[in-house]
Amino acid sequence: DIQMTQSPSTLSASVADRVTITCRASQTINNLLAWYQHKPGKAPKLLIYKASNLESGVPSRFSGSGSGTEFTLTISSLQPDDFATYYCQQYITSGTFGQGTKVEIK
Amino acid sequence: QLVESGGKLVQPGGSLRLSCAASGFPFSGYWMTWVRQAPGKGLEWVANIQADGRQNFYVDSVRGRFTISRDNAKRSLYLQMNNLRVEDTALYFCARPIVIGVDGGGYLDLWGRGTLVTVSS
Repeated sequence: DIQMTQSPSTLSASVADRVTITCRASQTINNLLAWYQHKPGKAPKLLIYKASNLESGVPSRFSGSGSGTEFTLTISSLQPDDFATYYCQQYITSGTFGQGTKVEIK
Repeated sequence: QLVESGGKLVQPGGSLRLSCAASGFPFSGYWMTWVRQAPGKGLEWVANIQADGRQNFYVDSVRGRFTISRDNAKRSLYLQMNNLRVEDTALYFCARPIVIGVDGGGYLDLWGRGTLVTVSS
C-alpha cells in the first residue's frame, strides 16, 4: 500500500503569510496527487489535481508543485478564509490521504 | 450535489446502511466513493464502485464487512455496514471521483457534507 506523509501536522500563520505544506509518497505516483481543503461541518473542497492543476474556481493564490514522491501546496498570501485543514491524496491506486495539516491563526 | 443520510448510534456488532442521494450530474456515468473521518483524525478512503456497479474496491479494514452498491435509476449510492466495530465510528462522506486508475482511483471533485456513524455500547 502507498503511504502518504504530510508535514507539518499543524502550522501557525498570519494573514498575508506565504504557507507551504509538504506531502511525501512512499513510492512514485506519476504526479497523481490532489490537495483538498476541509473546514468543520463542510464538505471537503478540491484545490489541486495532478500535482499542479488548479481546480476551476479556486483562487490563484493556491498552487501545487512537485514530482516523483515529493509534493508541495503553497498559499502565496494567506487569507482569513484559508484557515482550515489541508489534505493530500494519491490516486494512482484507490486513494490514500495524508494525515492532514491544520493551518491555524498565529 | 451529494447528500448523505442514515448515520446514527449503533452497538458493536450491529448493522447500518448509509445512503447518498445525487443530483445535478449524470450519476450513472460516474464511479462513486465513500470516504470517512474518525473523530480527531484525517480522511480515509473506504470504498469505490464502478459506474455500472460491476466492480468495487475496499480498504482492507472494511473488506468483508462493508458492501458498496448503487441504484442508478434512483441516483443513489449505498454503504451497507455489518459487524460494526468501535473503530468504524466516523463521519462518512460520499464523493465523486474523476477516475484515473483501474481500481477507481481518482481525485474527488464533488463531496457531500457527511453523515455521522457512532458505534458504541
